[in-house]
Amino acid sequence: QKEVEQNSGPLSVPEGAIASLNCTYSDRGSQSFFWYRQYSGKSPELIMSIYSNGDKEDGRFTAQLNKASQYVSLLIRDSQPSDSATYLCAPTTLGSNDYKLSFGAGTTVTVRA
Amino acid sequence: DGGITQSPKYLFRKEGQNVTLSCEQNLNHDAMYWYRQDPGQGLRLIYYSQIVNDFQKGDIAEGYSVSREKKESFPLTVTSAQKNPTAFYLCASSAGRGSGNTIYFGEGSWLTVV
Repeated sequence: QKEVEQNSGPLSVPEGAIASLNCTYSDRGSQSFFWYRQYSGKSPELIMSIYSNGDKEDGRFTAQLNKASQYVSLLIRDSQPSDSATYLCAPTTLGSNDYKLSFGAGTTVTVRA
Repeated sequence: DGGITQSPKYLFRKEGQNVTLSCEQNLNHDAMYWYRQDPGQGLRLIYYSQIVNDFQKGDIAEGYSVSREKKESFPLTVTSAQKNPTAFYLCASSAGRGSGNTIYFGEGSWLTVV
């Protein structure tokens, strides 16, 4: 079982629609959860972080976390062509003697005009 | 401006050569990381360092080496033992444990074996 699994893409949505991205993780010790956006050929940029169960909204982005189900999601409302990118999920674990950060393979989103 | 600087952006390596990728940060971050990304794949952790003069292997350390002699610098050497080094290499840093540990990335280095 992979440590971090994201819904397989590519995900194609019409402009103005909601894009829904899912991520499950295997490490119950994960405490912080990040979503990164990566445009083709570029480095990832942080778009959302969430630490507590529930929803967190930031502009058109909403992150949802359910630690009991080991599930985190990202919703992109009113999708724009500029949202076309690969989205990486990254749960993090802070151990007493070690540190671990794993990334999912990413879900590629294409917003069609 | 504060940030993470990787160099070179593009690098070509001949078979059997060692090459070193530079990573410098002026964010005063304690932790630094190296990731490798293959086309259409996620990021895989090569090495990370949480403090000067200390570093740990990640998931794919074989064929790579690092050093952390200064807080702001974390160079990665791709040795000839790495049989398939062609990839996009990303350096990252974070403030460290207890700070939410948000990771920020440099712009990346493309390494191609010729």
